[in-house]
Amino acid sequence: GAGVSQTPSNKVTEKGKYVELRCDPISGHTALYWYRQSLGQGPEFLIYFQGTGAADDSGLPNDRFFAVRPEGSVSTLKIQRTERGDSAVYLCASSLGGVALDTQYFGPGTRLTVL
Amino acid sequence: AQSVSQHNHHVILSEAASLELGCNYSYGGTVNLFWYVQYPGQHLQLLLKYFSGDPLVKGIKGFEAEFIKSKFSFNLRKPSVQWSDTAEYFCAVNYGGSQGNLIFGKGTKLSVKP
Repeated sequence: GAGVSQTPSNKVTEKGKYVELRCDPISGHTALYWYRQSLGQGPEFLIYFQGTGAADDSGLPNDRFFAVRPEGSVSTLKIQRTERGDSAVYLCASSLGGVALDTQYFGPGTRLTVL
Repeated sequence: AQSVSQHNHHVILSEAASLELGCNYSYGGTVNLFWYVQYPGQHLQLLLKYFSGDPLVKGIKGFEAEFIKSKFSFNLRKPSVQWSDTAEYFCAVNYGGSQGNLIFGKGTKLSVKP
């Protein structure tokens, strides 16, 4: 079946602009995670959804970052007033449930560049 | 703070050499441990994981890892690498297990010379 997909694959924007990044998880997966990977670093946890609700948003760096998953499937990560430091690859992962036992399947990522 | 350390940034080996990549995590009680791999141009994918039981875990493509609780380590090994093992390898830890958030190390890039 289809894996996790993310759109767009690349996004270039100017400082101060608003961006939305989309994630389509594997069908039937209730858990969805967003991570951010900066150059030379490993993925860094941002937020975790169980169904429609954000079960843990402790990784969001500040209030410019927000994510939704209104129907428990597709999720959108929203970044307001982008800054150059937001440039990174944003990864989405989904798993069948939300416990560590469940394998997380990662998407290809969205490379965000803020000029 | 909870953290994961990978000792080597870039490892270069010849085919058939043995591999060991180091991973240490900070103490935080119950841990679940993972190794992920990212081949060039591909997504992150799970190589192996440890939750409980036998501390020697076998994964795909001949990889294995050993959990040593007293050393807070989960090193990845392969007896004989192939050119196709060229990739970036990430160690990750889940603390507590009630939800799946992972803390990743910075990764180790492995280059295997044919």
